[in-house]
Amino acid sequence: GQQLNQSPQSMFIQEGEDVSMNCTSSSIFNTWLWYKQDPGEGPVLLIALYKAGELTSNGRLTAQFGITRKDSFLNISASIPSDVGIYFCAAVRSNFGNEKLTFGTGTRLTIIP
Amino acid sequence: SAVISQKPSRDICQRGTSLTIQCQVDSQVTMMFWYRQQPGQSLTLIATANQGSEATYESGFVIDKFPISRPNLTFSTLTVSNMSPEDSSIYLCSCTRDRTYEQYFGPGTRLTVT
Repeated sequence: GQQLNQSPQSMFIQEGEDVSMNCTSSSIFNTWLWYKQDPGEGPVLLIALYKAGELTSNGRLTAQFGITRKDSFLNISASIPSDVGIYFCAAVRSNFGNEKLTFGTGTRLTIIP
Repeated sequence: SAVISQKPSRDICQRGTSLTIQCQVDSQVTMMFWYRQQPGQSLTLIATANQGSEATYESGFVIDKFPISRPNLTFSTLTVSNMSPEDSSIYLCSCTRDRTYEQYFGPGTRLTVT
């Protein structure tokens, strides 16, 4: 089935560093979403993207909807300890009556003291 | 957004038994979904819970094993039937509002089958 490949699989960074991660697919999607999941919690929606080329920010987070509609990127500036967690991309093809999300494989972010 | 609660938050069950997980949303929503997730792994959609009709199951998931109810626009249940250790996982419900694709998730139910 459809699959979204996230890269990198894991990241080890120091506090204050910027972070970049991406999500790619062989298929076209019309909506891209980015989630963060903390241990023992459900995923929390960070950013939603609806137009190819769109660049959207949420505080220190910035995400872009790739122009080919086959990828998306998430950047985190000046990382802080609470950024630790697993980040998932998700996408929707927007077929009429089909609102299912396809989830990426996840990027685990760890901050090294 | 939406505030979603799930009960129980965790449970340890014996094989062969069944567990019903409840999902409650703070206001009416159009669609509700049930997912399964192994710790640290991605989410796998089990089914879409439709209000007033049968749930729509994804490939590999069947109604006899995972019966779902959705009696109204704020509540749904997922039952994991005749459990085996392979059913040990985190079960999450989510919802969307109106005609957006933004899904909001509950905190999950961590199930361990012994």
